[in-house]
Amino acid sequence: GAGVSQSPSNKVTEKGKDVELRCDPISGHTALYWYRQSLGQGLEFLIYFQGNSAPDKSGLPSDRFSAERTGGSVSTLTIQRTQQEDSAVYLCASSPGTGYGYTFGSGTRLTVV
Amino acid sequence: AQKITQTQPGMFVQEKEAVTLDCTYDTSDQSYGLFWYKQPSSGEMIFLIYQGSYDEQNATEGRYSLNFQKARKSANLVISASQLGDSAMYFCAMRDWDSSYKLIFGSGTRLLVRP
Repeated sequence: GAGVSQSPSNKVTEKGKDVELRCDPISGHTALYWYRQSLGQGLEFLIYFQGNSAPDKSGLPSDRFSAERTGGSVSTLTIQRTQQEDSAVYLCASSPGTGYGYTFGSGTRLTVV
Repeated sequence: AQKITQTQPGMFVQEKEAVTLDCTYDTSDQSYGLFWYKQPSSGEMIFLIYQGSYDEQNATEGRYSLNFQKARKSANLVISASQLGDSAMYFCAMRDWDSSYKLIFGSGTRLLVRP
């Protein structure tokens, strides 16, 4: 597609439930990043995928968070046993992998009640 | 570790005036890149301007310019002739030069343009 697509745009879930957030990057972009933005805060790096290389998971806050990228394209961020502190906007970005040209999606607003 | 600091949580500017948003960074790398993004209330991240560490001239993009002072490790964003549509959050970011090229963001500055 023309841009980075994220779904759902909004998600309300009960504490303790699992959620899956989806990111569809720009076609041909080999690099994909997930960020978390808490209310009024900057963006916190979560995880990075580049081609077939092992992902950089250094930003994942706990083992409840995981992500995969299938076929080098669509990525899914999974949060297990959600907690209230997981409430945030989750942003996905993709780039050609050269360190330039980052394009962000519109994000998924996750609310844990 | 690399770090971006934005010390102004909020700024006001009168329409048609210029405003400077501060950004300082910390890195031990010689080669790095600095970015500014705008985030309106709709939530999308809009790329504004980029400065490479070896660029000799300050970057400019329309009404946006980057005041790059390498020795002081600052990369301030200057918006000239402010418009009401410039009201938004502004984030400074640095590109991490490890294998991931991930962006490291500051905490942001909320700019409000007054009519």
